[in-house]
Amino acid sequence: ETGVTQSPTHLIKTRGQQVTLRCSSQSGHNTVSWYQQALGQGPQFIFQYYREEENGRGNFPPRFSGLQFPNYSSELNVNALELDDSALYLCASSLAGLAGGFETQYFGPGTRLLVL
Amino acid sequence: AQSVTQLDSHVSVSEGTPVLLRCNYSSSYSPSLFWYVQHPNKGLQLLLKYTSAATLVKGINGFEAEFKKSETSFHLTKPSAHMSDAAEYFCVVSEKTGANNLFFGTGTRLTVIP
Repeated sequence: ETGVTQSPTHLIKTRGQQVTLRCSSQSGHNTVSWYQQALGQGPQFIFQYYREEENGRGNFPPRFSGLQFPNYSSELNVNALELDDSALYLCASSLAGLAGGFETQYFGPGTRLLVL
Repeated sequence: AQSVTQLDSHVSVSEGTPVLLRCNYSSSYSPSLFWYVQHPNKGLQLLLKYTSAATLVKGINGFEAEFKKSETSFHLTKPSAHMSDAAEYFCVVSEKTGANNLFFGTGTRLTVIP
């Protein structure tokens, strides 16, 4: 176990709805990254949060947004859900080093989202 | 830009025989390379990582990988497969710049035959 927790474990929504997924980072970690893993695919980077600010974003539309809180936990929000948003959403935490580099990312178990 | 190619989508081996999962990478900068494993309905677990130290990297559960810059490869090996090794394996590249996001390959499903 990595110490990274995600909630909920499973979620069913309908097209057009909004969803919020939550992640608690491993103790001592200050950086959270979110990934989308479609069925049969490798995870794809959505965005990363460091010190409560977005620190990089993948090729995802603005309806994917996030937050990081002072305790380093994070939320992923998706508005106007589409059928293709059905996937496993993974959160990973890491520690930014003093030199600016980031250490290994440790993943949570994921939230499986189904959009009908 | 970074990218990863996992050369086999599915590998099948008999229990007790060697495992070889192949990975080639492309990176504009000095990369960090990782192998992660994903068991069914579980999250991703780090097997090993290369970050410009020794080119032969030892990981957990008897796995190891060798970084070969001339071949842009980072193949994963294990001398003897165990039933519990059956899972999906991902080769991952990250450049030591910017947001340190991970680029995943499409995965290799390892089946272990009793």
